[in-house]
Amino acid sequence: GAGVSQTPSNKVTEKGKYVELRCDPISGHTALYWYRQSLGQGPEFLIYFQGTGAADDSGLPNDRFFAVRPEGSVSTLKIQRTERGDSAVYLCASSTRTSGEYNEQFFGPGTRLTVL
Amino acid sequence: GESVGLHLPTLSVQEGDNSIINCAYSNSASDYFIWYKQESGKGPQFIIDIRSNMDKRQGQRVTVLLNKTVKHLSLQIAATQPGDSAVYFCAENSGGSNYKLTFGKGTLLTVNP
Repeated sequence: GAGVSQTPSNKVTEKGKYVELRCDPISGHTALYWYRQSLGQGPEFLIYFQGTGAADDSGLPNDRFFAVRPEGSVSTLKIQRTERGDSAVYLCASSTRTSGEYNEQFFGPGTRLTVL
Repeated sequence: GESVGLHLPTLSVQEGDNSIINCAYSNSASDYFIWYKQESGKGPQFIIDIRSNMDKRQGQRVTVLLNKTVKHLSLQIAATQPGDSAVYFCAENSGGSNYKLTFGKGTLLTVNP
């Protein structure tokens, strides 16, 4: 079946602009995650959704970052007033419902964001 | 804060040799560990996992070893192939979380034909 998909694959924007990054999880996966990966680093947790609600948004760096998942499937990561330091690959992952033990997360290919 | 780290940032091996990639973790509350492979332009791909109640787990050409005494994790790849060239990350479920992963920095494995 289809894996996690993310669009766009690349996004170039100017400092101060607003961007939206989209994630389509694996069908039937109720849990969705966003990570940010800077060059040469491992992914860093941003936010976790269980269904429509953000169960943990402790990784969002500041209030310029916001994510939604209104119907419990597709999610959008929104970044306001982008800064050059926001340049990174934004990864989305999904898994079956998290209850009890950890469930494997399946990652998408990421969106490479470049802020000029 | 506590984090997962790697000893070697790069590793170069000859095709057919065995590869060993190491990782140190510091959060003693973490009880689940995963190795991921990430090729250029792609997301991390699950390779193998291990729970803290195990010392060793084997998959196809890969073995993960966990030493809880010294908080050390390793990934062994047998008969390394050019297709194994990638960045390898270890990750832990942060402090025992059932959803949050903490990743290490990564090791770049290059397999020479």
